[in-house]
Amino acid sequence: KQEVTQIPAALSVPEGENLVLNCSFTDSAIYNLQWFRQDPGKGLTSLLLIQSSQREQTSGRLNASLDKSSGRSTLYIAASQPGDSATYLCAVQDNTDKLIFGTGTRLQVFP
Amino acid sequence: GAGVSQSPRYKVAKRGQDVALRCDPISGHVSLFWYQQALGQGPEFLTYFQNEAQLDKSGLPSDRFFAERPEGSVSTLKIQRTQQEDSAVYLCASSLHGRGTEAFFGQGTRLTVV
Repeated sequence: KQEVTQIPAALSVPEGENLVLNCSFTDSAIYNLQWFRQDPGKGLTSLLLIQSSQREQTSGRLNASLDKSSGRSTLYIAASQPGDSATYLCAVQDNTDKLIFGTGTRLQVFP
Repeated sequence: GAGVSQSPRYKVAKRGQDVALRCDPISGHVSLFWYQQALGQGPEFLTYFQNEAQLDKSGLPSDRFFAERPEGSVSTLKIQRTQQEDSAVYLCASSLHGRGTEAFFGQGTRLTVV
């Protein structure tokens, strides 16, 4: 059974720092991995989608990498801002097409 | 529409009451998913449609939960005889083809059973 783990569970940093959020999964037979952002009381906003054949994806200050063989992905946030404060979730898509989520990393960036 | 739309945003139900939650996916998206999110947890899969066909309902927690998508567009998740443990946020997502394509989520419906 696929299990997804995110470390750390919570992170509090001053504005301007570069951050790395970690995601690991137990079964490397995935189709893709997706990173989401969730603000309190809101739905999920898709940030980056990495197909299983890809190594990384970039969008603005965000960069996500995927090492499928070792079951790991990282989300790198450059020059963090208070507006980046949210919960970040990673999810893998398995061969049944559904997404399996981690429990998230709660990020707070203070001015 | 521009995004996935869910209604109502909030629902308070008395224990034993039936509820119906609606999801309007992005136009043209073939695949539709329902997830349940408990407080402080990641979303957990409930069920999956491709067009009007329900391909996977393995995540539905009991036979009180029922989902349909009769015309391959709007979907309804129905919960009969609600219990307190049903209190959660119910999220709907759609994607163009399902496998390998990006999933887009709605704002969710927060259900509170009292």
